[in-house]
Amino acid sequence: GQQLNQSPQSMFIQEGEDVSMNCTSSSIFNTWLWYEQDPGEGPVLLIALYKAGELTSNGRLTAQFGITRKDSFLNISASIPSDVGIYFCAGRGRAQKLVFGQGTRLTINP
Amino acid sequence: EAGVAQSPRYKIIEKRQSVAFWCNPISGHATLYWYQQILGQGPKLLIQFQNNGVVDDSQLPKDRFSAERLKGVDSTLKIQPAKLEDSAVYLCASSTLPGLAVQETQYFGPGTRLLVL
Repeated sequence: GQQLNQSPQSMFIQEGEDVSMNCTSSSIFNTWLWYEQDPGEGPVLLIALYKAGELTSNGRLTAQFGITRKDSFLNISASIPSDVGIYFCAGRGRAQKLVFGQGTRLTINP
Repeated sequence: EAGVAQSPRYKIIEKRQSVAFWCNPISGHATLYWYQQILGQGPKLLIQFQNNGVVDDSQLPKDRFSAERLKGVDSTLKIQPAKLEDSAVYLCASSTLPGLAVQETQYFGPGTRLLVL
């Protein structure tokens, strides 16, 4: 089945630093989504991408749908303490089922 | 607008026991999903409903897991009998558009944390 490789698995940064994480797929996706999950909660959608090459921003977050349709990245600029959490990429391909990456755990030192 | 509701929030059972989880989707959302999220991993789809019909249950372990969505609103997910490896968070999600729609957005509930001892 479709698989997503998300990296890095975890990040430890200082407040104010920029963050970058990415996902790669073994197959082509038609949709890329980025979610954030806080402890004890369900994932919350941050950014949705529907077109190859698309670059979309949501405040300090920017995400891109790779030209090959097999990858996507998420950048967070000027991190703040409330950015702490687990970030998941998710993709939807021909099978239409949403497939999630393993997550990137972000820890921020104030 | 109220979000996706799930209960219970936590459940501890012994292996071979039965357990049931309940989900109330966002009002008007026709599509409902159940996901299993094992610690340290992303959610994995178990079953998708469109109104009260099953669209995809290819990853549901049907020998022990069952789900229903009577009347096309609330849904229950049951495990009988539970195994140690079923320990996970069970997430329910709903959306207004069918899963085939490119711009479908799924809204997740808080999940039920299951521990099987």
